[in-house]
Parts: sequence; C-alpha cells; structure tokens
Amino acid sequence: KAGVTQTPRYLIKTRGQQVTLSCSPISGHRSVSWYQQTPGQGLQFLFEYFSETQRNKGNFPGRFSGRQFSNSRSEMNVSTLELGDSALYLCASSQRQGYEQYFGPGTRLTVT
Amino acid sequence: AQSVTQPDIHITVSEGASLELRCNYSYGATPYLFWYVQSPGQGLQLLLKYFSGDTLVQGIKGFEAEFKRSQSSFNLRKPSVHWSDAAEYFCAVAHPDRSQGNLIFGKGTKLSVKP
Repeated sequence: KAGVTQTPRYLIKTRGQQVTLSCSPISGHRSVSWYQQTPGQGLQFLFEYFSETQRNKGNFPGRFSGRQFSNSRSEMNVSTLELGDSALYLCASSQRQGYEQYFGPGTRLTVT
Repeated sequence: AQSVTQPDIHITVSEGASLELRCNYSYGATPYLFWYVQSPGQGLQLLLKYFSGDTLVQGIKGFEAEFKRSQSSFNLRKPSVHWSDAAEYFCAVAHPDRSQGNLIFGKGTKLSVKP
C-alpha cells in the first residue's frame, strides 16, 4: 500500500507570496493532519481534517488554511508568506480521528 | 498545559550497546503515546504506540517502550543499537478522546552511533 505523498517536495517563495501544498493520504485513510517543523519550535500541529471538515486547529494565524476533498486528499495554503514560515511541512494520515498517524516525507518551504 | 519532555537533546552510543531514550509527559488524562523516528530529510516513521493494556509495547526495528503511569513516562529502549539507528527520535502524545486527534511532540533526541 502506498504511503502518504506530498507535493511538491521543495519550494522556494518570496515574502508576500502565497503557497499551496498538497497531501495524498494512504488509501482508506480519512483523516489528514498537518504539522510544521522548524529547528526552533519543533513539531507543531496546524490542523486536522476528517470527512472534509476541519476538526481541530492549532495556534497559527489565519494566514494558514487548509481543506480536504471528498477523496480525502488535502491541501494547505499559506498566504502573505513571511520569512518565519520557512519550515518543513508534514502531512499525516490516519484511518480515523485519534488513530495512529502516518507521515509523508514533507514539503520543504523556503521563504526569501 | 499539556507537554512532552525529552530531556536528552543528543545521545551518542556505541554500536551494539543498549539504548534508552527518555520521555515524560504532562497531561490531564492518560494520553495515547507514540514514538517516531526521523532520518535526515525524511518524514516521521511510527516506531510504536501505546493506547491501553500491556505497559510494555513492542515496535518495529527491535524497539520497545514501557509506559509507567506513576512516573508519567514512556521510555524507548533497544538492547543493541545498529549504525542505521542514527536518527532523531520524537515522543508524542494524543488525547484519549479520539475527537482530538492532534499529536503533541517532544523536542526530539538526536541519536549518534559510534562504530
């Protein structure tokens, strides 16, 4: 069974731009979560989607948003990029909410 | 506040030696507990999980972890470390109410293995 896939793997953007990251969960998994990983703050939860609805949200500004489609694929969007948004963005999927999560390889975002 | 503490930022062990990585949590209820491993430039791989039941859980790659409620700990162990185990290890917790599925992670412990 294929794992979680994330596209693109690497991205370079300029301050003020916006970016969309994509995540395809493991087949049959209906819950998708997003995390931001930085050297300073570590791994921080962004949001969780289940059945196309955002179920939980972390403590991030409204510039960070996401959505989930009927096939469970998910996208996250960051608008008005700031230098501090440079990070590894990880997507994780699970069969349902609260079950063990399986992570993708991440998207490395660099904001210049 | 809910938190996970991994007291050791960096550990170096010799190949073939035993390993124990520490994890302590602060949580209102007994959470679900996980260990993940991350190799450079890669995502996180689930090593093992604890939901309930036997407090000693076995995972992949020869790892095991023991949940100790009295100490709010979930330490990861391996009897004999291989060079390929060099990576960063993260302890994580989740609320036992499955409607809150987000993971709270520790800061990680980087493991180096000496030949």
